[in-house]
Amino acid sequence: DQQVKQNSPSLSVQEGRISILNCDYTNSMFDYFLWYKKYPAEGPTFLISISSIKDKNEDGRFTVFLNKSAKHLSLHIVPSQPGDSAVYFCAASGNGDMRFGAGTRLTVKP
Amino acid sequence: EAGVTQFPSHSVIEKGQTVTLRCDPISGHDNLYWYRRVMGKEIKFLLHFVKESKQDESGMPNNRFLAERTGGTYSTLKVQPAELEDSGVYFCASSHRGGLAGDANEQFFGPGTRLTVL
Repeated sequence: DQQVKQNSPSLSVQEGRISILNCDYTNSMFDYFLWYKKYPAEGPTFLISISSIKDKNEDGRFTVFLNKSAKHLSLHIVPSQPGDSAVYFCAASGNGDMRFGAGTRLTVKP
Repeated sequence: EAGVTQFPSHSVIEKGQTVTLRCDPISGHDNLYWYRRVMGKEIKFLLHFVKESKQDESGMPNNRFLAERTGGTYSTLKVQPAELEDSGVYFCASSHRGGLAGDANEQFFGPGTRLTVL
């Protein structure tokens, strides 16, 4: 039972444009959501998070949006840079333990 | 400050053999997690230690997998006997605080151990 879903396995954008990565979840008990970034041969690293009491959190070029009624969150990267090319994992937490999506491979072309 | 470390980085074994993976969490982190990622799929939760106690082992696939964290420091994950479907990347993560709903429960991940069962 996959509680966190990232339906797009890959995304390709041009440098300078906006990247939008999407994530859906099914468990209404989740109240904290995170995005992790993963480079090849490395473990995931924390990128940005959002609590369920908010609908937006911004950190530099990265913004996460949460729509609780739709059980949907998205990560916006603007402007996208070639160094942003990586696999992005959405994660959701309800009581400390986290559940991850399958990841979206983002490629930013120069 | 040293991050989460995992050993070995790669392991190639034959079906039926035993393999033991090790994870050293960040010093002072009581919470330790094991995850597995198989063939580009989701990072799947295996289990969660709080110090030396298993808080949640609902993700362990079967009794061929045994995780321990004696003394509440490093942890081992043993697979015995290994099967083909056990191949994947095993990640360990640690966090300072856990079990608190809505808290900044950032988990720090190790680089993973890539296990290949032939």
